[in-house]
This record gives sequence, structure tokens and C-alpha cells, in this order.
Amino acid sequence: DAGVTQSPTHLIKTRGQQVTLRCSPKSGHDTVSWYQQALGQGPQFIFQYYEEEERQRGNFPDRFSGHQFPNYSSELNVNALLLGDSALYLCASSSSTTAGFNQPQHFGDGTRLSIL
Amino acid sequence: SQQGEEDPQALSIQEGENATMNCSYKTSINNLQWYRQNSGRGLVHLILIRSNEREKHSGRLRVTLDTSKKSSSLLITASRAADTASYFCATTGGFKTIFGAGTRLFVKA
Repeated sequence: DAGVTQSPTHLIKTRGQQVTLRCSPKSGHDTVSWYQQALGQGPQFIFQYYEEEERQRGNFPDRFSGHQFPNYSSELNVNALLLGDSALYLCASSSSTTAGFNQPQHFGDGTRLSIL
Repeated sequence: SQQGEEDPQALSIQEGENATMNCSYKTSINNLQWYRQNSGRGLVHLILIRSNEREKHSGRLRVTLDTSKKSSSLLITASRAADTASYFCATTGGFKTIFGAGTRLFVKA
């Protein structure tokens, strides 16, 4: 049973470029959240996707956008990259249930994005 | 801004000793979760405690939750070198999960 997979594992971009990161959730999971983790810090919530819609968004500019596909996989897009966007980007999946949406999240190992 | 704040920021202990990490948060929560992160890896879920629970155990882990003080603690008993990692508390309100800055635990063999 594959867990959460993210691609690519590492990426180097220059300022002003655009990047797309990909995530496949754990089998049976339908909810995907994206986080940005700067070095030495905790993950910061970017947004969550459920039923192909952005359900909640953290304090990130519109340069950060996402998408969820019918198979529950997801993409994170970042436009006009800044040096400060250098971070580990984590994807987490969980399963919504009729009992509630606050289920433990399963994380991928992330994409390390470096901006030059 | 981070809602969960862990204390201490770093902790160094000898193998076999107990490690205690604390977390404080600011607003009402549905549940509180603890995660572990090994260097350069993703987070691994350790334990979830709901807002109506006061204590929960899982193996060598013991978590307490005091909603009146908006605080939680994670106790790792009989620590091992393999427990060396960063530990984060996370609170969930609505669909948003907020992580603290973490406690870096070093267990010396």
C-alpha cells in the first residue's frame, strides 16, 4: 500500500520562474493539504483540497495555486518565484468521514525547492 | 503566525531517559496531534488526542491535554537513539492544521 508520493524530490529554479509540484495521496484518501516548511521551522499550511475544490487557504499570496484531480492527486503551482519561496514543500493526505474531517494526516517526504 | 508553540526548542538526553515536550496553543481546537520528523523527511503522525480527552497512550508515548490551559505535553519514556528527531504539535480548527516550530530532540547513545 503506497503512501503519499511527491515529485520531484528536488528542484532548482531562478527568480521569476514558475514551478509545479505533484502529489499522489495515500490509497483511500480523498483530501490533500499542502504545506511550506522553511529550514528550522514548522510546516505552514498553504491550502487544502477536497472534492477538487480549495476548501481552506492559509496566509499565502495568490502566486500559490493548486488543483485536485478526479483521482484525488494534486498539484501545487507557484508563479513569479521569489528567493523566499525556497523551502521544503510537503503534501499530506487524509480521509474524510461522516464522523468528521479531522483525521490524522499522512505526509510525503516533500519536494525541496531552491530558488537562485 | 504559528498557533502551537513547543517548549523547549531543543532537548538533549541520554538513551534510556524520559523526554518531555510541551505545547501551547491559542484558540479552541477540535483535536491536537503530535508528529515526528526525521531530518529531511516528511512528518509521521504519532498520536491524536481529541478535545474531550485528557490523556492518551501509545506504546512509549503519553500525551496529555489541558484545554483550560490550552496546553499539551508529549512524554517519550525510555528514549532510544532512534527517537532523535523534531517533534511538532499541531492543532486543527476547521479544515486548517497549524504546526508549532517544533522541539528538536537529541538522544545520545
